[in-house]
Amino acid sequence: GENVEQHPSTLSVQEGDSAVIKCTYSDSASNYFPWYKQELGKRPQLIIDIRSNVGEKKDQRIAVTLNKTAKHFSLHITETQPEDSAVYFCAASKGTSGTYKYIFGTGTRLKVLA
Amino acid sequence: SAVISQKPSRDICQRGTSLTIQCQVDSQVTMMFWYRQQPGQSLTLIATANQGSEATYESGFVIDKFPISRPNLTFSTLTVSNMSPEDSSIYLCSAVRSSYNEQFFGPGTRLTVL
Repeated sequence: GENVEQHPSTLSVQEGDSAVIKCTYSDSASNYFPWYKQELGKRPQLIIDIRSNVGEKKDQRIAVTLNKTAKHFSLHITETQPEDSAVYFCAASKGTSGTYKYIFGTGTRLKVLA
Repeated sequence: SAVISQKPSRDICQRGTSLTIQCQVDSQVTMMFWYRQQPGQSLTLIATANQGSEATYESGFVIDKFPISRPNLTFSTLTVSNMSPEDSSIYLCSAVRSSYNEQFFGPGTRLTVL
């Protein structure tokens, strides 16, 4: 069935360093890839997304890259800050070509050490 | 973005009882979903709430246990029936507008079953 693998499960970085989280999806029909940040006790919040017709997207310190051939996509956070500490989830969806259903990755707990 | 509210925010229930969770969106949306999130885990899709028709359930979830209603485009309910301690979890609703695939999440309902 459809599956999204996410690595690593935990990641600790020093403040100011970069963090990279990687996801691999199984369904080649997937065309929309959002990333969510979930702070403790809070709802998941969309932080960035990418569609299959784009290879890279950047928003200030956050960027996402997509390799459709390899079915990989990655989240890059530069100049990390303590407030970046949270759990990050990737997801894959077929969007308008199917349902809007998301398949979520297993999550990455990011700790930014001051 | 859509504003989504859920009621109740948390509840403690006795084994064998049922709880109905309400989800209200501030504007018309195309799709509404219900998820379960166990502590420290990812989001697991329970079902798609279809407006005016029966919900579409994911593997492992059945209507008798998780009846869902969606009487209009902005409101849905999830009932957790005949609860057991294994049902203790956070239940989240989400919504999507057809013009974009972005999913917004409600704040969640933290359910504890004794």
